[in-house]
Amino acid sequence: GNSVTQMEGPVTLSEEAFLTINCTYTATGYPSLFWYVQYPGEGLQLLLKATKADDKGSNKGFEATYRKETTSFHLEKGSVQVSDSAVYFCALSARTTGTASKLTFGTGTRLQVTL
Amino acid sequence: ETGVTQSPTHLIKTRGQQVTLRCSSQSGHNTVSWYQQALGQGPQFIFQYYREEENGRGNFPPRFSGLQFPNYSSELNVNALELDDSALYLCASRRTGPNFETQYFGPGTRLTVL
Repeated sequence: GNSVTQMEGPVTLSEEAFLTINCTYTATGYPSLFWYVQYPGEGLQLLLKATKADDKGSNKGFEATYRKETTSFHLEKGSVQVSDSAVYFCALSARTTGTASKLTFGTGTRLQVTL
Repeated sequence: ETGVTQSPTHLIKTRGQQVTLRCSSQSGHNTVSWYQQALGQGPQFIFQYYREEENGRGNFPPRFSGLQFPNYSSELNVNALELDDSALYLCASRRTGPNFETQYFGPGTRLTVL
């Protein structure tokens, strides 16, 4: 079956540091890949997505490139801020049957940014 | 904000009881999915509804059931609650069709089973 593996957290960085959160996946076919972010006490917000190999998703300074050869979708940001502190989830979307598709999530990586 | 709303925000039940959670999908979205997120874990797919019928299901027992209404809103029902059902329940909506795979999540309902 499909699966997503993320690096263990928590990740603790100083403000303005470079961020990388690793994500690899296993899937049949050609899934779409997503990063969602969850702030304390809230639901999931879509951060960025990529729908085919070599696509780069980007939003709010975050980037991730869909690498089919390494089955990876690592999240990067050049300079983190305290407000980026949250839990980040890597996910893939694959069709199950007909019009049905589901998201398969990793376990999440908690990011804590300090001054 | 995504436009997906859920109610109630929090709920406390006791083991063996039944619960109904509600979700209103984003305008223009005709497909609703439900996910369970246990503490410290990623969300797990429960099921998906399209045109008022369940058309995909994860590894959850039959006591988890749902409905979708003509206005695309949805309910999640859980019977015979167990302690392990304590979790954040997330509803997500999307449009169906090519290039419409992105799901948009509501804020969730936190269920505590005592």
